[in-house]
Amino acid sequence: GQQLNQSPQSMFIQEGEDVSMNCTSSSIFNTWLWYKQDPGEGPVLLIALYKAGELTSNGRLTAQFGITRKDSFLNISASIPSDVGIYFCAGAMNSGYSTLTFGKGTMLLVSP
Amino acid sequence: EPEVTQTPSHQVTQMGQEVILRCVPISNHLYFYWYRQILGQKVEFLVSFYNNEISEKSEIFDDQFSVERPDGSNFTLKIRSTKLEDSAMYFCASSVGPGLNYGYTFGSGTRLTVV
Repeated sequence: GQQLNQSPQSMFIQEGEDVSMNCTSSSIFNTWLWYKQDPGEGPVLLIALYKAGELTSNGRLTAQFGITRKDSFLNISASIPSDVGIYFCAGAMNSGYSTLTFGKGTMLLVSP
Repeated sequence: EPEVTQTPSHQVTQMGQEVILRCVPISNHLYFYWYRQILGQKVEFLVSFYNNEISEKSEIFDDQFSVERPDGSNFTLKIRSTKLEDSAMYFCASSVGPGLNYGYTFGSGTRLTVV
């Protein structure tokens, strides 16, 4: 089946630092999504990307859809303690195809 | 903001017992999904459901699993004879339309522990 490789597995940073995490795939995805999961909660959508090369921002978050359609990255600028959580990338064959394939997640810890 | 509601938040069951996990999707949503997440691992797709039938299912969704929309508001996942490896967080999701740009909202999950 399709696999998404997400890195790093975990990060421990100081408040105020910028963070970058990425996702790669051996197969093409035509939609990339980034989710955040807080403990005991379901994934919450942060950013959705629908076109190769697309760069989208949501506040301090920026995500890009790779040109090859096999990768995506998420940047968080000026991290704050409430950014703590697990960040998942997810891919779908296209926006009209509703099944998501998730990466294994990046655990982010932010020290005040 | 509309929410997908799941009950119970935590269920403990004995191996071999049947368990039903319940979800109330967002009221105007027509497409429903179950995902699961084994502790410390990624979220995995189980099944999607539309117009009272399964539209897609994964290899995980074997004959032990079934889904139902018993009335106009609930969407349930039944595991017939639970195994230890069924222990996981189960997430329900719903969307207005068939694709991701129709909104795709997850519930907070039910933690199933099989002992």
